[in-house]
Amino acid sequence: AQRVTQPEKLLSVFKGAPVELKCNYSYSGSPELFWYVQYSRQRLQLLLRHISRESIKGFTADLNKGETSFHLKKPFAQEEDSAMYYCALKDFGNEKLTFGTGTRLTIIP
Amino acid sequence: DGGITQSPKYLFRKEGQNVTLSCEQNLNHDAMYWYRQDPGQGLRLIYYSQIVNDFQKGDIAEGYSVSREKKESFPLTVTSAQKNPTAFYLCASSIRTGVLSGELFFGEGSRLTVL
Repeated sequence: AQRVTQPEKLLSVFKGAPVELKCNYSYSGSPELFWYVQYSRQRLQLLLRHISRESIKGFTADLNKGETSFHLKKPFAQEEDSAMYYCALKDFGNEKLTFGTGTRLTIIP
Repeated sequence: DGGITQSPKYLFRKEGQNVTLSCEQNLNHDAMYWYRQDPGQGLRLIYYSQIVNDFQKGDIAEGYSVSREKKESFPLTVTSAQKNPTAFYLCASSIRTGVLSGELFFGEGSRLTVL
């Protein structure tokens, strides 16, 4: 069975410092991985997906199949990055999306 | 205004009563989902549907039922068999295939409280 683990429930980082939100997964096939974000009083929305290999709002995430990880990184945190972040894995061949338990990121001014 | 609409936003029910949560989308998406969000447990998949007249159980389907008679609609019934129904429920939809699949569009959620 597929599983997504986000080991940190809470993470506080000073403004301007680097951010890393951890995500590990277990899956027997070739995974598709995503990061979703929920800002205060907004809907949950897609931040980025690994196949796009793009940077969104300064965030990047690299799929490491050897370590089964998909950590989300940003070199310099901004106050507007404060939000709830979820890592998610898509089942190959169908549309089932499994989410982790989420990490609440707080940027300290 | 395009998107996912969930109703009601807040719902109170007595123990033992069934309750149905509505989810409608006008994005022409094939796939629709129901998740339950509890503090510290993230989003857990209840049911999902990849196409009209078809749906699959997620990880926590016991005590819930769904139907998918129309592409636009995916109602969720929380039955009296669900042991801990008080929760925040999120509906979502997505394109079924292609590079854009996996991007879920979420509703604002429905908070169910069972008294």
